[in-house]
Amino acid sequence: DTEVTQTPKHLVMGMTNKKSLKCEQHMGHRAMYWYKQKAKKPPELMFVYSYEKLSINESVPSRFSPECPNSSLLNLHLHALQPEDSALYLCASSRLQGAQDQPQHFGDGTRLSIL
Amino acid sequence: GQQVMQIPQYQHVQEGEDFTTYCNSSTTLSNIQWYKQRPGGHPVFLIQLVKSGEVKKQKRLTFQFGEAKKNSSLHITATQTTDVGTYFCAGSLSGTALIFGKGTTLSVSS
Repeated sequence: DTEVTQTPKHLVMGMTNKKSLKCEQHMGHRAMYWYKQKAKKPPELMFVYSYEKLSINESVPSRFSPECPNSSLLNLHLHALQPEDSALYLCASSRLQGAQDQPQHFGDGTRLSIL
Repeated sequence: GQQVMQIPQYQHVQEGEDFTTYCNSSTTLSNIQWYKQRPGGHPVFLIQLVKSGEVKKQKRLTFQFGEAKKNSSLHITATQTTDVGTYFCAGSLSGTALIFGKGTTLSVSS
């Protein structure tokens, strides 16, 4: 069982749809992350939030829009995605003491397919 | 930019054999972390190494951090079928995001 909960587990959407991925953690972590993982590849960092503020955006296309409503929740809003965006989207959280030096706890991920 | 190289990409062993994966960075790291991802699963944190020359053990797993803090290794003694998965090293410079190596996928036959 993971302490980081992601919904939905699977999502199929068309290129014109708008959908959102959700992530929740109750470990009191103040750093939260979105990663994209393609098959047989390592996780690729997309965004980092520290104290609910966006601290890192790894040049992600604007069709991906992150949101951190509070310290426990992280959303990723999707709009006009492309087929190459099909991947496993992982959320992670960590304590914030030199955030990048702290172990990250990953959710199970959302497996996204773009038709 | 900063890169973390990991070899081998794949390794197949017979149950009971040993296994090692190696990680190498072009720059000195502040720390290195190791994660395991089972097939169909998510990365799970195994350990973090911070000090130069550090060695840590978890049962059959031994983790090392090089003296120059540029390389690391994970060694599994007497592999079991439960060890299958992809092992990622992830390094960072202080205050920067983790950079994951490409991972080593371990398969074990009984």
